[in-house]
Amino acid sequence: QQPVQSPQAVILREGEDAVINCSSSKALYSVHWYRQKHGEAPVFLMILLKGGEQKGHDKISASFNEKKQQSSLYLTASQLSYSGTYFCGTTSRYGKLTFGQGTILTVHP
Amino acid sequence: ETGVTQTPRHLVMGMTNKKSLKCEQHLGHNAMYWYKQSAKKPLELMFVYNFKEQTENNSVPSRFSPECPNSSHLFLHLHTLQPEDSALYLCASSRDPTSGSYEQYFGPGTRLTVT
Repeated sequence: QQPVQSPQAVILREGEDAVINCSSSKALYSVHWYRQKHGEAPVFLMILLKGGEQKGHDKISASFNEKKQQSSLYLTASQLSYSGTYFCGTTSRYGKLTFGQGTILTVHP
Repeated sequence: ETGVTQTPRHLVMGMTNKKSLKCEQHLGHNAMYWYKQSAKKPLELMFVYNFKEQTENNSVPSRFSPECPNSSHLFLHLHTLQPEDSALYLCASSRDPTSGSYEQYFGPGTRLTVT
């Protein structure tokens, strides 16, 4: 069963912050985050493993709450280059990666 | 060349044609994947190969036939497709398909249009 992402779309101005959520009805082992720009391949951002960890690089970070079976992606001080569709993917310990429907992020000058 | 490459990038074919999509990964991974991405739908996993052996077929119609001659190459053979098969077909690779710990690296995709 695929994870559910919210919101479906976000529109920001440069410098604003955004949060994208990913929820699953199944117990999770890992959450993967990818960004896909129009006409390009999805690009890996980060993986969070079971244990409630938080990760980040630059101004993009994420958290994983295994009890709530959800993850959140935080984008701070957004830049034009952040525009794209963000996908979360979830796995059980030995299961396949199942992607959410995506969140379209648009950053305007 | 580095990463995951796919050819052709664009393909238009009639419903009676036979064509093949090609994927090559230069990352030393042992797992390769085919995904279908349609408009307004999530990425749909089609097939998984691990060390050349197919480990997953996600109820894909037989008009799609994958082939994995080695860990670096993956093909998707297409025949008698339907217009609803028009989509972006993405190839990906990773170190281990059985663990959720490893990220997947995607190719740029083949935009397929079935007329």
